Amino acid sequence: DAKTTQPPSMDCAEGRAANLPCNHSTISGNEYVYWYRQIHSQGPQYIIHGLKNNETNEMASLIITEDRKSSTLILPHATLRDTAVYYCIVRVEAGGSYIPTFGRGTSLIVHP
Amino acid sequence: DSGVTQTPKHLITATGQRVTLRCSPRSGDLSVYWYQQSLDQGLQFLIHYYNGEERAKGNILERFSAQQFPDLHSELNLSSLELGDSALYFCASSSPRQGGNTEAFFGQGTRLTVV
Repeated sequence: DAKTTQPPSMDCAEGRAANLPCNHSTISGNEYVYWYRQIHSQGPQYIIHGLKNNETNEMASLIITEDRKSSTLILPHATLRDTAVYYCIVRVEAGGSYIPTFGRGTSLIVHP
Repeated sequence: DSGVTQTPKHLITATGQRVTLRCSPRSGDLSVYWYQQSLDQGLQFLIHYYNGEERAKGNILERFSAQQFPDLHSELNLSSLELGDSALYFCASSSPRQGGNTEAFFGQGTRLTVV
């Protein structure tokens, strides 16, 4: 089972920042938070990940709260092409492996 | 382009048949994961291989099996196909890093339609 909770849907105006929240209150100390997105039936695309510090790359920024129980993915200037399902995941340990386990994600619609 | 290659992209077959889906991981990646995504459903983890060995199983039916070969490519075999097996099947790969915390990269999937 996924260890994260996300709102099922959000919308955002083109050019504005999209802030996607995620709750991961049961995260353990050495578990990273990963964000992926899936654009209609394509393969999920890795966006960013972090442990406890805020992270930024060319796609997005990730803000993790100090207690690490929640995080926010920020798309600073959303475009129509950012319309996708966004998944926040914490890997689930199984048989010594860490398995990316997906919940239902947040469906982000960017409108003109 | 994630560097993960899946073939075929589309597959249409009849109930009761058997098919094989192929995945070539990114160069150097030892881990391969398989997922199933049915219409309007989330990504369901099926199975994980690491350097040729099965490491973890998820919600994989007994009619399904997989293997990872010495060159690290992987195949997912689906047999006695049913209409409900129609889905997108994704493969992902990742490389080992301390603590197992590595990002996984996904292929573009194989769309299987069972008629």
